[in-house]
Amino acid sequence: DTAVSQTPKYLVTQMGNDKSIKCEQNLGHDTMYWYKQDSKKFLKIMFSYNNKELIINETVPNRFSPKSPDKAHLNLHINSLELGDSAVYFCASSRDREGSPLHFGNGTRLTVT
Amino acid sequence: GNSVTQMEGPVTLSEEAFLTINCTYTATGYPSLFWYVQYPGEGLQLLLKATKADDKGSNKGFEATYRKETTSFHLEKGSVQVSDSAVYFCALPHMNYGGSQGNLIFGKGTKLSVKP
Repeated sequence: DTAVSQTPKYLVTQMGNDKSIKCEQNLGHDTMYWYKQDSKKFLKIMFSYNNKELIINETVPNRFSPKSPDKAHLNLHINSLELGDSAVYFCASSRDREGSPLHFGNGTRLTVT
Repeated sequence: GNSVTQMEGPVTLSEEAFLTINCTYTATGYPSLFWYVQYPGEGLQLLLKATKADDKGSNKGFEATYRKETTSFHLEKGSVQVSDSAVYFCALPHMNYGGSQGNLIFGKGTKLSVKP
């Protein structure tokens, strides 16, 4: 009965490849997010969807493309992976987009070699 | 938008020591304030929150008081345990209630290590 689940937990791949990370929440929340955490633990918002509509798209290379097939899912596809993409990617959800608490998945550690 | 500044770590304490992790913010209005905790290998979990000035959030022995005079939300615990070893993040909404960007922004995190 995991609230926010993301797969895979670990992802090791070579430069230039394309990969996807999947996220699902069973909390009935309207809003979902992708955050990137770097090696120094700094968290930065990448994208946010509200009821399948993109509402936040921070300065992220267009190699990153989120997709929300329904409000319970938010997937992240990354094209032409680069070394600098190595990080931990967290999916999160919240009841609404007015600053309500976030519920996080356990993260996907992406390593690009 | 709003912003948050958090004391840098790492912080190393002995078991039963007193903990303070400083957090200050800049914001228009009075947004809700949050502390999140990240245990090794896990995602962030909400530790406590306060929704208005002078509110005190508390959970698992941790406390933080929303102080508008000093724009601070310092995290405290009277007696830490080894199991409290984690990274702690202060957070607030990017914009206030009613704004179009309700995502949380996080401080840089403070790593706490508690030794037996």
